[in-house]
Amino acid sequence: QVQLVQSGPEVKKPGASVKVSCKTSGYTFTGFYLHWVRQAPGQGLEWMGWINPNSGGSHFAQRFQGWVTMTSDKSMRTAFMEVSSLKSDDTAVYYCARTSRGSLPDFDYWGQGTLVTVSS
Amino acid sequence: QSALTQPASVSGSPGQSITISCTGTSSDVGSFDYVSWYQQHPGKVPKLIIFDVNGRPSGVSNRFSGSKSGNTASLTISGLQADDEADYYCISYASSDTGVFGGGTKLTVL
Repeated sequence: QVQLVQSGPEVKKPGASVKVSCKTSGYTFTGFYLHWVRQAPGQGLEWMGWINPNSGGSHFAQRFQGWVTMTSDKSMRTAFMEVSSLKSDDTAVYYCARTSRGSLPDFDYWGQGTLVTVSS
Repeated sequence: QSALTQPASVSGSPGQSITISCTGTSSDVGSFDYVSWYQQHPGKVPKLIIFDVNGRPSGVSNRFSGSKSGNTASLTISGLQADDEADYYCISYASSDTGVFGGGTKLTVL
């Protein structure tokens, strides 16, 4: 069955970086884009960007350009999302989600979410 | 890209119908028929309930339906049930190959 399993919770200090992983199974890894979505505590969903695991190409919401990096490893069937220069308002649950239709926002499977807490 | 506009909350009684609006611009909702809706129960992962404005994934109840007019998309839930109480989010494909979510709507079943 399709599974997206994310790495565990992280606690980071302001200014640090965090790298979240999304390990997939049960489907052809290179056939689906992976998008990243975050949700601050008690807040709504925020679309961050996507990565094409086949080509390695990625695209971000403008506000994340320059400080978010998305990568993937075909041999590990895993996608990674790294956020640098963390600030307190980056505290959120970060989700990966897949779609068969590239950049279109219909995500049929999601990871369980990774809580990233930024605190001094 | 500004978030799409949704009402903060809606409510309805069991058996009734409710509609949640999602208003964007000509750069997103108004230009593309790629609006999806997600249901999120507290502490849970979002679940896709509508895609491409009015498409329903396999296994999703036909009590959920979607539509669009101009820059506004809408989600209608008919025959409200207690388990429909959740947060609902719209998201639209937008120009520059991006996505933009609405702020979310909390549905209360009275």
